[in-house]
Amino acid sequence: AQTVTQSQPEMSVQEAETVTLSCTYDTSESDYYLFWYKQPPSRQMILVIRQEAYKQQNATENRFSVNFQKAAKSFSLKISDSQLGDAAMYFCAYRSAWGAGGTSYGKLTFGQGTILTVHP
Amino acid sequence: NAGVTQTPKFQVLKTGQSMTLQCAQDMNHNSMYWYRQDPGMGLRLIYYSASEGTTDKGEVPNGYNVSRLNKREFSLRLESAAPSQTSVYFCASSPDYSSTDTQYFGPGTRLTVL
Repeated sequence: AQTVTQSQPEMSVQEAETVTLSCTYDTSESDYYLFWYKQPPSRQMILVIRQEAYKQQNATENRFSVNFQKAAKSFSLKISDSQLGDAAMYFCAYRSAWGAGGTSYGKLTFGQGTILTVHP
Repeated sequence: NAGVTQTPKFQVLKTGQSMTLQCAQDMNHNSMYWYRQDPGMGLRLIYYSASEGTTDKGEVPNGYNVSRLNKREFSLRLESAAPSQTSVYFCASSPDYSSTDTQYFGPGTRLTVL
């Protein structure tokens, strides 16, 4: 079974600065997808960024980028030019690729979450 | 286009009571999911419906039942609520049950069982 670990329960950053959130995962599969979700106080889960394991290039979405290290099974999220609206709980998640084994390949496995505080 | 909606937003139950959490999506998605979120544990999958007419157990199905009423609606039922079911419940949907699709989440239901 896959596991996802976020070792930083809380992080803080000054507005306009850069912060990196860590995520590691354990899997025996070679093909999979990784996600970062944002959960603001409204509780709604919002997709921030997605990375396909077969792609070597790191995904980027505006101020959000990832550092995907497949061999190290590491998937960190970098937020540049942090804004007050970035304050939220961030979840790292793993999803098996189609046909990669098991019957739960649609299932997302989540980490424990990291609370990000942004100071003005 | 409301996306994924859930009702109610908050609910307090006494041990042994039953209730149904409702979820609906207007994106014409085939697959729907129910998760629970507990402090320090992230989200865990309770049940999912890969397509209309099918449902399957997820990681933590005990104490729950689901119904895929139609393509739009997927309900979660607690027959006899227990304090261990105090949690925040999220419904999600995706276009299809494949790894290329991302899941869209509702706003959640905060349930307290006394």
